[in-house]
Amino acid sequence: AQSVTQPDIHITVSEGASLELRCNYSYGATPYLFWYVQSPGQGLQLLLKYFSGDTLVQGIKGFEAEFKRSQSSFNLRKPSVHWSDAAEYFCAVARLGTSYGKLTFGQGTILTVHP
Amino acid sequence: DADVTQTPRNRITKTGKRIMLECSQTKGHDRMYWYRQDPGLGLRLIYYSFDVKDINKGEISDGYSVSRQAQAKFSLSLESAIPNQTALYFCATSDLRARTDTQYFGPGTRLTVL
Repeated sequence: AQSVTQPDIHITVSEGASLELRCNYSYGATPYLFWYVQSPGQGLQLLLKYFSGDTLVQGIKGFEAEFKRSQSSFNLRKPSVHWSDAAEYFCAVARLGTSYGKLTFGQGTILTVHP
Repeated sequence: DADVTQTPRNRITKTGKRIMLECSQTKGHDRMYWYRQDPGLGLRLIYYSFDVKDINKGEISDGYSVSRQAQAKFSLSLESAIPNQTALYFCATSDLRARTDTQYFGPGTRLTVL
């Protein structure tokens, strides 16, 4: 069965600092990988996704993520964090080529941004 | 207007009551999903539907039922609510024709069962 682990429950960074949120997945084949962001009181918004091709993917709001097959990782990065990035971030994996796109989510990482 | 809407946004109810959460979408997607979110557990799939005639259980369907009234509407029911069903519930949609089957989420319904 596929699974996703986000090792960091809570991360605090200063505004302007760089950010990396970790995501590790367990899956027997090449997965679809996603990062979603949930701002307080809001639903989930898709930041970026990977399904093939270039392993470095660009998303909205200045985020990027790199797929590393050898490490089973899909870490999310941003070079300079803004206060508005404070939110909860979810990594998710879906199976390819199946009858439906079942998403398995990680536990989430809460990002706090200090001024 | 939002593509995926959920009603109500907040609901407080008592143990044993029947509750229905509704989801509507204007994206024209054929697939719809219900998830619940609990702190520290991420989102877990309750039910999903490929089309109006297709309903499937997810990983935590016990205590829940669903109805797909139309392509655009997917309702989640708690027949007899219990306190451990207190959670944030999300509806999502995706397009069968899209290669990556990306899911789009509604704003959520916060349900409290006393």
